[in-house]
Parts: sequence; structure tokens; C-alpha cells
Amino acid sequence: DQQVKQNSPSLSVQEGRISILNCDYTNSMFDYFLWYKKYPAEGPTFLISISSIKDKNEDGRFTVFLNKSAKHLSLHIVPSQPGDSAVYFCAASAMEYGNKLVFGAGTILRVKS
Amino acid sequence: NAGVTQTPKFRILKIGQSMTLQCTQDMNHNYMYWYRQDPGMGLKLIYYSVGAGITDKGEVPNGYNVSRSTTEDFPLRLELAAPSQTSVYFCASSYSQGRLSSSGNTIYFGEGSWLTVV
Repeated sequence: DQQVKQNSPSLSVQEGRISILNCDYTNSMFDYFLWYKKYPAEGPTFLISISSIKDKNEDGRFTVFLNKSAKHLSLHIVPSQPGDSAVYFCAASAMEYGNKLVFGAGTILRVKS
Repeated sequence: NAGVTQTPKFRILKIGQSMTLQCTQDMNHNYMYWYRQDPGMGLKLIYYSVGAGITDKGEVPNGYNVSRSTTEDFPLRLELAAPSQTSVYFCASSYSQGRLSSSGNTIYFGEGSWLTVV
């Protein structure tokens, strides 16, 4: 029973265009969400996060949107660059569960130059 | 600037063998974690520790043991390896389990250990 779902295993985008990665969750107790980026043969690295009291958080080219009623969040990368090609993991946590992270399966992003 | 270091990077085990994955961090973090990632799946928490001498089970602890005798080290022990334990293992650490929005309290991951049980 996956509580955090990334339904697109992969996404291919042209350099300079927008990349949109989606994530859905089922547990309404989740109140903090994060995106991690992972290159091959490396560990995941933190990218951006959002609290459930917000609906948008922006950091440079990366913006995360949260729609609590739909239990959906998305990561927008504008403009996409070849160096953004990686696996992106969505993760969620709840204070009630000790803030332990629950990860989605990941989406492979390929940015073509 | 080592961060989280885990060894070995690759290992092939025979069914029934035992081994220890080593993990050390130099950031003086209180919290340490072991995750496994199976193909097409997200990272799943095996065990975690909130400080030296304290460990607790995560989502998938069966077949594993951990210890935390020092702040820096958090080894993961596989007893009687099984093919189902073929996976990529990630050790991680964080200062706490708080909710800072900046990267100041994020989880830092090691580079991963690829384990195959045959």
C-alpha cells in the first residue's frame, strides 16, 4: 500500500522547457513534503520542501505546488537544463509519525539538449 | 568534507551468509537511518537511531540488526542473507527530525551500497 505515489516512471523534456513532476499521497496526516534528486551512483540530495500551511514554495528554477484537497503536489523546473537529468523522489512526513519520511518510487527526468 | 560514508559499495553474498554494512558520518548528527531501495520502489526505512545507544525499527526491519555505540557510526548487520535482501542500501543522517524549511535540517544520504544475494 503505497502512501506516496509517483505515477510517471519517466519524463523527457527539451532543454529550456518546463518540467513538471507529479506526486500524489493518500494519507491526510502528512503535513510536510520534500523533493529529493538522485544522480546515478550517488545518494539522494535534498532539493526543496513545502509545509502543508503553504500552497507554493519557490527556490530559483524550482517551484513546488501543493494542493491539499486533491492530495497532490508537483515540482516545476523552469527552464530545464541537461544537468537536471536525474531521478526525482517525492517524500512526505507527519509529526504524528515522528516525522519519518515516506518516499515515492521516483520519476526519471531526461532533459534533452 | 566527507558527510555520510558507507562501505562497501558493492558486495555479492551467498544465501545464508552474514555481513555488515558500515556507515559513518562526520557532521555530529544525532539521527541516523538505513534505507533500502528496490527497483521501481521508493526508499523504505529499515532502522533508525535518534542518538548513541538508541535504535528503533522502521518499516522493513526483518532480517536486519543495527547498533549505535557512537554518534558517528551506525552499522547495519544482515544475518542469514536471503535473495529478498538484494537491494541498494542507503545510510543517512540528520541533525534532528524537525521541520526546518531550509536545507539546514535535511537528511544527508551516503552514496549507496549495492548488495546482491545469490
